[in-house]
Amino acid sequence: AQKITQTQPGMFVQEKEAVTLDCTYDTSDPSYGLFWYKQPSSGEMIFLIYQGSYDQQNATEGRYSLNFQKARKSANLVISASQLGDSAMYFCAMREGDSGGGADGLTFGKGTHLIIQP
Amino acid sequence: AAGVIQSPRHLIKEKRETATLKCYPIPRHDTVYWYQQGPGQDPQFLISFYEKMQSDKGSIPDRFSAQQFSDYHSELNMSSLELGDSALYFCASSPFPSHEQYFGPGTRLTVT
Repeated sequence: AQKITQTQPGMFVQEKEAVTLDCTYDTSDPSYGLFWYKQPSSGEMIFLIYQGSYDQQNATEGRYSLNFQKARKSANLVISASQLGDSAMYFCAMREGDSGGGADGLTFGKGTHLIIQP
Repeated sequence: AAGVIQSPRHLIKEKRETATLKCYPIPRHDTVYWYQQGPGQDPQFLISFYEKMQSDKGSIPDRFSAQQFSDYHSELNMSSLELGDSALYFCASSPFPSHEQYFGPGTRLTVT
């Protein structure tokens, strides 16, 4: 079974609009971490934001925020005021155990290809 | 700020050859991870090391091996290369224990 599900293969959004990228996850471990990464066409993987399963508040990093709904096992990424440079592939990922810390590998979703239109 | 360094950035090999990919983590990062990303695919975790010991193992083929050295750099050795090994190979590093994994630029391996 998929541990990370991203149901939007592609999205087109107008510049300056807010964007929500969906991510649902599946785990029976009470301790886990959720991550979002951005991969531009150049190929590098850029860390955006992290949410721990025990964190009481939603994570925010500049224009990025994570809408964490634990009961629904949902960890959507919200990008406010989108810019042309936000066009990229976005991956949701999870690490189980140790509140998402430690040295274990990440499990990624299939990604969402976001295109920002002027 | 210093980033993860991977070498080479591009590598072309023939089937059945061997390849060695190198990763130099961010200074003071003691944990290294390797991922494989096939064309149009999500990254797949291969293996990780903490303080030179293997920490976690993912979908790493038996033909592949890796190690972390005393200076914390890591090498991924790949033997009997197959066409399906063509992919972007990422190394990531983090200080332990830490949530974020900082990825290098990747090594693009093409097997012909």
